Amino acid sequence: QQQVKQSPQSLIVQKGGISIINCAYENTAFDYFPWYQQFPGKGPALLIAIRPDVSEKKEGRFTISFNKSAKQFSLHIMDSQPGDSATYFCAASRGNTGKLIFGQGTTLQVKP
Amino acid sequence: KAGVTQTPRYLIKTRGQQVTLSCSPISGHRSVSWYQQTPGQGLQFLFEYFSETQRNKGNFPGRFSGRQFSNSRSEMNVSTLELGDSALYLCASSPDPGSNQPQHFGDGTRLSIL
Repeated sequence: QQQVKQSPQSLIVQKGGISIINCAYENTAFDYFPWYQQFPGKGPALLIAIRPDVSEKKEGRFTISFNKSAKQFSLHIMDSQPGDSATYFCAASRGNTGKLIFGQGTTLQVKP
Repeated sequence: KAGVTQTPRYLIKTRGQQVTLSCSPISGHRSVSWYQQTPGQGLQFLFEYFSETQRNKGNFPGRFSGRQFSNSRSEMNVSTLELGDSALYLCASSPDPGSNQPQHFGDGTRLSIL
C-alpha cells in the first residue's frame, strides 16, 4: 500500500516533442504528489507538485495531471529540450509526515 | 539563499567501520529528512527530524541512526558498515514537517564501502 509505481523506466523523445511519465499509487491517504528532476551527480530538484483536490497544475512547460478515482498522476513535459534529459521521480506523502515514497524513476533522453 | 549543504561529498570506508554524514538545511528550515539512493532500491526514506526529535523512521536496521541539533543541522551515522551500504545519501529540508511542505534536497554524500 505504500508503493508508488512509475512508468516507463526509460523514455526517448525528439526535441520539441511531449514527454509523458506516469505514476500510480495505492494508498488513498496520500495527499501530496511532487515530481523531482535529477541530473547526474546532483540531488533531486523539486519541479512541480499537486494535491488531490486539483486535477491539473501547470508551471511553464511542465504539467501534472491528477486522476483521483484512478489513483494515477502524470507529468507532461511540453516542447521537450535536450536540457530536459535527466531522471524524473514521482513521489507521494501523507498527513503530518514529510516521508516521501518515491517511484523507481524514469530516465528521459531528448534527442536534438 | 544557500541550498542544502551536505558534507563530505565523497567517502570511502571499509567493512566494519562507522561513518558520520552531515547536513546543513536551508536557512530557516527546521525539518530535515534523510534518504538512501541506490540503483537497485531507488530512493528510500531513512528518517525525519524536527525540533531535535526523530518524527519518522524508515525500514532500516538500527545501525542507521541520526540526530538533529538546535540549529536544525543534522547528522546521520552508520555503524558496522556493510558492502550493501554503498549508496548516495541525500538530505532534504523543509520549513516545517508535513506533507504540505516542499522538500529541497542537497547533492548528497556518495559513500563507497570496500
